[in-house]
Amino acid sequence: AQSVSQHNHHVILSEAASLELGCNYSYGGTVNLFWYVQYPGQHLQLLLKYFSGDPLVKGIKGFEAEFIKSKFSFNLRKPSVQWSDTAEYFCAVNARPAGANNLFFGTGTRLTVIP
Amino acid sequence: GAVVSQHPSRVICKSGTSVKIECRSLDFQATTMFWYRQFPKQSLMLMATSNEGSKATYEQGVEKDKFLINHASLTLSTLTVTSAHPEDSSFYICSASLEGAIGYTFGSGTRLTVV
Repeated sequence: AQSVSQHNHHVILSEAASLELGCNYSYGGTVNLFWYVQYPGQHLQLLLKYFSGDPLVKGIKGFEAEFIKSKFSFNLRKPSVQWSDTAEYFCAVNARPAGANNLFFGTGTRLTVIP
Repeated sequence: GAVVSQHPSRVICKSGTSVKIECRSLDFQATTMFWYRQFPKQSLMLMATSNEGSKATYEQGVEKDKFLINHASLTLSTLTVTSAHPEDSSFYICSASLEGAIGYTFGSGTRLTVV
């Protein structure tokens, strides 16, 4: 069975600090990887995704993530956070070939950016 | 871009009554939609996969007679929580994928409170 682990439950940073949120998955096959963000009171939005190719993926709002297959990891990074990045961040995995094409989510990491 | 509309955004109902939640794909056809449940401070848990024109596939532990799913058209899936109880209070989210694509658009969610 697939599972996704996000080790940081709550991260507090000051503006301009660098961010790295961990995500590890357990699945032996080929996967698609996603990071979603949920701003307060809003729905989930896709930040970035990895299907194949360059393991360093650029997303929206200056976010990027690196897929390290040997470590089963897909950590999210941003060199300089802003107050507006305060949100909940979810890592998700979809196995290929996808039987049901659904996503398995991590438990989420709450990011609080202090102005 | 693909938009998924979910309605209502918030509903309060009395214990023992039933509540219907709608999920619509506004500008694309979705043969498959997914229903998730999110408990406070927890991740999204897949409840069921809704397939247009056929029965939904439920995840282990989800009562199909309690959470009725109907996917009667390519743009509409409904989730009915029957005989709701306070423990059914949660945040319900639907998502849909463009045909042939690996990508997910999420609805804005429905907060159900059973009193």
